[in-house]
Amino acid sequence: DGGITQSPKYLFRKEGQNVTLSCEQNLNHDAMYWYRQDPGQGLRLIYYSQIVNDFQKGDIAEGYSVSREKKESFPLTVTSAQKNPTAFYLCASSYRAGTPVYGYTFGSGTRLTVV
Amino acid sequence: EDQVTQSPEALRLQEGESSSLNCSYTVSGLRGLFWYRQDPGKGPEFLFTLYSAGEEKEKERLKATLTKKESFLHITAPKPEDSATYLCAVKGGNNRKLIWGLGTSLAVNP
Repeated sequence: DGGITQSPKYLFRKEGQNVTLSCEQNLNHDAMYWYRQDPGQGLRLIYYSQIVNDFQKGDIAEGYSVSREKKESFPLTVTSAQKNPTAFYLCASSYRAGTPVYGYTFGSGTRLTVV
Repeated sequence: EDQVTQSPEALRLQEGESSSLNCSYTVSGLRGLFWYRQDPGKGPEFLFTLYSAGEEKEKERLKATLTKKESFLHITAPKPEDSATYLCAVKGGNNRKLIWGLGTSLAVNP
């Protein structure tokens, strides 16, 4: 079955450490997205990519980095510069922006906790 | 500024008690309105896309409708398994990103 796989499901980070969250899709979607979800704040866009080797900052990109070397993969690195990284991270994908617009398919999420 | 507001914030129903969730939006040139369901600790699950005022879509006990200012998600005779957070998002012509509401948390008691 096609879908999006996020790993790990739970991740613990020590102060000053960089960690990388994995996101892989086999839906042949062009666009991929990373969101952060905190209680009471809804979904906030971190980075998005519409084609391989290209990505754009979202609303809260500071302290995060991404790469898009393959169509199927869009890993997110949470750097030590992100001061409050504890959150639920969601990866999503969709067909490329155009007409009609398509809904996103989401992964099952990674819960990151700073220890 | 593009904006999405969902109401109520939380809703508690008895099994079989029908109700509606609201998603009000302000966007320039609506290109699509999306409804998602999210269970605790999981990613949102796509339910519906609506493109133009007057459009309606149904799936089991759920029916989504759209006007020029808002969308309703009608839940008919809900069951406990319908308990979840329901999220609404819109995409406008001036924005390459989805604008998300904060969601409505629905609890259906048996």
